[in-house]
Amino acid sequence: DVKVTQSSRYLVKRTGEKVFLECVQDMDHENMFWYRQDPGLGLRLIYFSYDVKMKEKGDIPEGYSVSREKKERFSLILESASTNQTSMYLCASSLRPGLAGLTGRYEQFFGPGTRLTVL
Amino acid sequence: AQSVTQLGSHVSVSEGALVLLRCNYSSSVPPYLFWYVQYPNQGLQLLLKYTSAATLVKGINGFEAEFKKSETSFHLTKPSAHMSDAAEYFCAVSEGGTASKLTFGTGTRLQVTL
Repeated sequence: DVKVTQSSRYLVKRTGEKVFLECVQDMDHENMFWYRQDPGLGLRLIYFSYDVKMKEKGDIPEGYSVSREKKERFSLILESASTNQTSMYLCASSLRPGLAGLTGRYEQFFGPGTRLTVL
Repeated sequence: AQSVTQLGSHVSVSEGALVLLRCNYSSSVPPYLFWYVQYPNQGLQLLLKYTSAATLVKGINGFEAEFKKSETSFHLTKPSAHMSDAAEYFCAVSEGGTASKLTFGTGTRLQVTL
């Protein structure tokens, strides 16, 4: 089974701190994603990556950056944390479309989430 | 642009009753559709998916969903609710493409009462 792990389940940081959230997947997936989840808003895409060193903005990239130096690892960076970034952060991965078509596995696989509180 | 609408942010059913969670989508191309479940303090787990094969899709834990193109719907059902079904459910749509991005609905919290 695919396993997606996130470095922390709970994190408390102070306003202005630089915050790193790490995500690792073990199934050689090309695509990786970062979402934030807020009550009543569902999941919103922050950034995604379809290859090493490639990244694209999602729907709400402001205040965030990402890094993908290795295929299995995708990091989310909050350059200067603010209270409005208090949220649940979810990482996901998936196969590239060609392989997904061959296997029928079009879905994304999610990590357990990191609940970040910024004070 | 694709979008997903989940009617009802909270649904409450009695144990043993029918579960019906509604999802309508908009998409400019034939979509892939997904239902995910999230238990408290956990990530999302795939319940079932529609990827242009059979329109009636069966998933885990006794759930199923029917893709209706004419109604742009993909409602999730289960004949008999169990207490363990209490969770939040998300419908999502993908139009494929390079990274197969998903667009999620805002979620429906299912409560199951005795």
